[in-house]
Amino acid sequence: NAGVTQTPKFQVLKTGQSMTLQCAQDMNHNSMYWYRQDPGMGLRLIYYSASEGTTDKGEVPNGYNVSRLNKREFSLRLESAAPSQTSVYFCASSEVRRQPQHFGDGTRLSIL
Amino acid sequence: GDSVTQMEGPVTLSEEAFLTINCTYTATGYPSLFWYVQYPGEGLQLLLKATKADDKGSNKGFEATYRKETTSFHLEKGSVQVSDSAVYFCALTRNTGGFKTIFGAGTRLFVKA
Repeated sequence: NAGVTQTPKFQVLKTGQSMTLQCAQDMNHNSMYWYRQDPGMGLRLIYYSASEGTTDKGEVPNGYNVSRLNKREFSLRLESAAPSQTSVYFCASSEVRRQPQHFGDGTRLSIL
Repeated sequence: GDSVTQMEGPVTLSEEAFLTINCTYTATGYPSLFWYVQYPGEGLQLLLKATKADDKGSNKGFEATYRKETTSFHLEKGSVQVSDSAVYFCALTRNTGGFKTIFGAGTRLFVKA
């Protein structure tokens, strides 16, 4: 039982490059989330998807786009990476709406 | 605006000691409250939750009570183990005026054998 799987685990980008972070869950959850975790700041919600085909902005959506491709997959795209987007990114899913429950192991992203 | 404040860490305890990690919140309406745990190199896991005032969430020996009068949701465990060493996050979700989730900065716990 894999739970929430994120790829890649680590990535280094140059400023201006683009990248898509992948997330898949195998628990048949409707709700999925993308967060970023920065030192001393806890987690901040980037985007939320209540179901396939729907997405909503969170606290810090600027510079990001998302796609809920199907019920299993929720991807996060950086179109033009900036050093301020250096962070650890977590994908999560849940059975109950708006209550993130299962998190992936994270993607550590560095932008030079 | 909404916020969650946790006690600063790290907290260092000996095995079998009593644990309290303080959490207070500021929010409009009636938020749901959560505790998450993050073990080294892993993502967060939901530890327990409470969705209304006076509810007590509990799991794996941990418990926390939703206190609206003091806007608090302190995490407690009667006897900690080395395996409880992790970072603990208090969080709230607010469902009025749009979905919002706010996490505290996290409290690192070290338990010595």
